Amino acid sequence: AQTVTQSQPEMSVQEAETVTLSCTYDTSESDYYLFWYKQPPSRQMILVIRQEAYKQQNATENRFSVNFQKAAKSFSLKISDSQLGDAAMYFCAYRSAWAGNMLTFGGGTRLMVKP
Amino acid sequence: DAGVTQSPTHLIKTRGQQVTLRCSPKSGHDTVSWYQQALGQGPQFIFQYYEEEERQRGNFPDRFSGHQFPNYSSELNVNALLLGDSALYLCASSQQAVAKNIQYFGAGTRLSVL
Repeated sequence: AQTVTQSQPEMSVQEAETVTLSCTYDTSESDYYLFWYKQPPSRQMILVIRQEAYKQQNATENRFSVNFQKAAKSFSLKISDSQLGDAAMYFCAYRSAWAGNMLTFGGGTRLMVKP
Repeated sequence: DAGVTQSPTHLIKTRGQQVTLRCSPKSGHDTVSWYQQALGQGPQFIFQYYEEEERQRGNFPDRFSGHQFPNYSSELNVNALLLGDSALYLCASSQQAVAKNIQYFGAGTRLSVL
């Protein structure tokens, strides 16, 4: 079974600074997808960014980018120019490319943004 | 375009009771997945419905059951409620035919079991 680990329960960043959230995963599969979801106090999970394991190029979405290290099974999220609205719980998630829709989530990292 | 909607928002039940939670998927989506998120933890996959059948199931007991209707909406039923069933229940929808499908989540139903 796949597992996803987020080793940072809480992180703090100054507004306009850059922060990196860590995620490691364990799988024996070679084809899969990795996601970062944001969950604000409104509770709704919002997709931040997605990475396909067969792509070597790291995904980027505006201020959000990932560092995907397939051999190390590491998938970190970098948030540049942090904004107050970035404050939320962030969850890393794994999905097999061949075994259905099931997402396996990590335990989450609470990000606080200081003005 | 309405996103994923869940009802009710909040629910309070007592041990031993039964509960039904509802989910309407995003327009154009045909697959619904349910997740349980205990306080301070990441969501855990309960099961997925497609074409009105349960297609995949996580490590949850038979007390958790579901249904999908012809209009793709779905229900999650939990029987014989335990205190440990208190959690946020999230519904996610997607399009089965899209290989790289993305799951869109609703705002969840907060279930409190007393």
